[in-house]
Amino acid sequence: QQPVQSPQAVILREGEDAVINCSSSKALYSVHWYRQKHGEAPVFLMILLKGGEQKGHEKISASFNEKKQQSSLYLTASQLSYSGTYFCGTESGGTSYGKLTFGQGTILTVHP
Amino acid sequence: NAGVTQTPKFQVLKTGQSMTLQCAQDMNHEYMSWYRQDPGMGLRLIHYSVGAGITDQGEVPNGYNVSRSTTEDFPLRLLSAAPSQTSVYFCASSYSPSSYEQYFGPGTRLTVT
Repeated sequence: QQPVQSPQAVILREGEDAVINCSSSKALYSVHWYRQKHGEAPVFLMILLKGGEQKGHEKISASFNEKKQQSSLYLTASQLSYSGTYFCGTESGGTSYGKLTFGQGTILTVHP
Repeated sequence: NAGVTQTPKFQVLKTGQSMTLQCAQDMNHEYMSWYRQDPGMGLRLIHYSVGAGITDQGEVPNGYNVSRSTTEDFPLRLLSAAPSQTSVYFCASSYSPSSYEQYFGPGTRLTVT
């Protein structure tokens, strides 16, 4: 089952902040975040692992609440280059090892 | 490194035709996967493989077959194309599905008429 993202779309002006949420009905081992520009492939932003380890870019932050099976991506002081569609992906491990499923995406638009 | 390559980039099929979408990676990744992307639906997992000789079904496997005879290649076969399979298909690879970055190929845009 796909994780659920909110909001579906966000419109910002340069310099403003945004939060994108991702929730799952399953216990999670990891949460991935990717950004996709129109007509291009998704590009890696960050991985958050059960137990607190994080891997990713320094300028982007995220949180992972294991008990609630939720993650949030924090985009601060937005730039025009932040525009795109953001996807969270979740993997539950165990018998679901390998099943990395993505949410429906959040469209972020940053205006000058 | 070429990374993840997909061929063809564009394809038009008639209903009922079959074809194979090719995916290859040169990073010695054990994990490979196929997604389809439709407007408003995000990326939906079709099939995945955690190593050569091992494949499993994702969320939307019907109408698609895969095999993984080598670490490098993970082809996706459409058995009898239907208009509902019109989509953009992405192949991805990684050292692990859990704790490593997924590298996506450039995608194949498929239209079934």
